[in-house]
Amino acid sequence: AQSVSQHNHHVILSEAASLELGCNYSYGGTVNLFWYVQYPGQHLQLLLKYFSGDPLVKGIKGFEAEFIKSKFSFNLRKPSVQWSDTAEYFCAVDNTGKLIFGQGTTLQVKP
Amino acid sequence: GAGVSQSPSNKVTEKGKDVELRCDPISGHTALYWYRQSLGQGLEFLIYFQGNSAPDKSGLPSDRFSAERTGGSVSTLTIQRTQQEDSAVYLCASSLGHVGNTEAFFGQGTRLTVV
Repeated sequence: AQSVSQHNHHVILSEAASLELGCNYSYGGTVNLFWYVQYPGQHLQLLLKYFSGDPLVKGIKGFEAEFIKSKFSFNLRKPSVQWSDTAEYFCAVDNTGKLIFGQGTTLQVKP
Repeated sequence: GAGVSQSPSNKVTEKGKDVELRCDPISGHTALYWYRQSLGQGLEFLIYFQGNSAPDKSGLPSDRFSAERTGGSVSTLTIQRTQQEDSAVYLCASSLGHVGNTEAFFGQGTRLTVV
């Protein structure tokens, strides 16, 4: 069965530190890839997505992710985090119209 | 409406009672998803609709859970004989639903508490 793994469950960073959150998926065919974010008290919203083309995709708020097909990975990065990035981050994969999410990573940014 | 709407936003029910959760997707979105979000459990896939049919019901935890979608629009998730372990936030999302454009938009969720 298709699955998504997020290796970091809880990350604590200081402001201005660099961020990389890991995401690996199990399906080897054509996939659509997403990162969603859930800020405290808010609903899930899309950070960025990959459907095809350039494997390095840029999203909102300075986030980017790189699709590496050979590694089945879609890691999320940000060069310099801010306190307002404190949130829960979810990686998701779809290949048949069904979105499967990882367990999520809680990011806490200390001011 | 402009976004995915879920009702009620909060529901407290007694163990053993049935509950119905409603989702109103974005107009024109053919795909509709139900997820369950529990503390420390991430987003658990429950069921997915394409139009009125459900190609994948594999995530429904037990036969106490059912869902339907009528008119290709509103969906209802029903939990019969609720148990305390059903307490969670139930999230609905919708998307255009075709390969290559499956960005999902989420509602605010229904927080279900079974006492």
